[in-house]
Amino acid sequence: DVKVTQSSRYLVKRTGEKVFLECVQDMDHENMFWYRQDPGLGLRLIYFSYDVKMKEKGDIPEGYSVSREKKERFSLILESASTNQTSMYLCASSPHPGQGTTGELFFGEGSRLTVL
Amino acid sequence: RKEVEQDPGPFNVPEGATVAFNCTYSNSASQSFFWYRQDCRKEPKLLMSVYSSGNEDGRFTAQLNRASQYISLLIRDSKLSDSATYLCVVNLYSSASKIIFGSGTRLSIRP
Repeated sequence: DVKVTQSSRYLVKRTGEKVFLECVQDMDHENMFWYRQDPGLGLRLIYFSYDVKMKEKGDIPEGYSVSREKKERFSLILESASTNQTSMYLCASSPHPGQGTTGELFFGEGSRLTVL
Repeated sequence: RKEVEQDPGPFNVPEGATVAFNCTYSNSASQSFFWYRQDCRKEPKLLMSVYSSGNEDGRFTAQLNRASQYISLLIRDSKLSDSATYLCVVNLYSSASKIIFGSGTRLSIRP
């Protein structure tokens, strides 16, 4: 079974703090993603990565950065947390679409971040 | 314009009914298409991929119309356990997979 593990299920941080959200997958997937999910807005793509040290901005990258130093790990960084970053953060991984794969996304359980 | 648009619902239908969800996408270069299901307080899970020829999986039928940039999901003989949010998902794959979600359509099945 594919496993995507997010380091923290619940975090509470203060405005201005630096926040690290870690994600690890064990299936050697090339692609990894960070989304945030808010009521009424669905899942919005923050950043994605298709290879080690490669990253691409998603639809809402402002206020976030990412790091992918190893294939299995994709970190989301909030340099200076703000209250509007209170959200559920979901990490996902997928293989490249191709023969024998659909490119299905596998999600972690999510990290609920509250910024006070 | 959003890249992937869905009717947010909610849809509230009786058990046994047939229900249809629609989704439109803006990027004609989109490569692959999916429907995901998300239960309350859970992560999304793949329901089915959507192929150009249309595909069926039991009570679920998915259709893709590339000319109209339109995807649909039909659920027949709905069950109480079908209550969930259904997410339309598009992969703008070219050199890298950029996977975009619609905001989801909530479905409630009543006894």
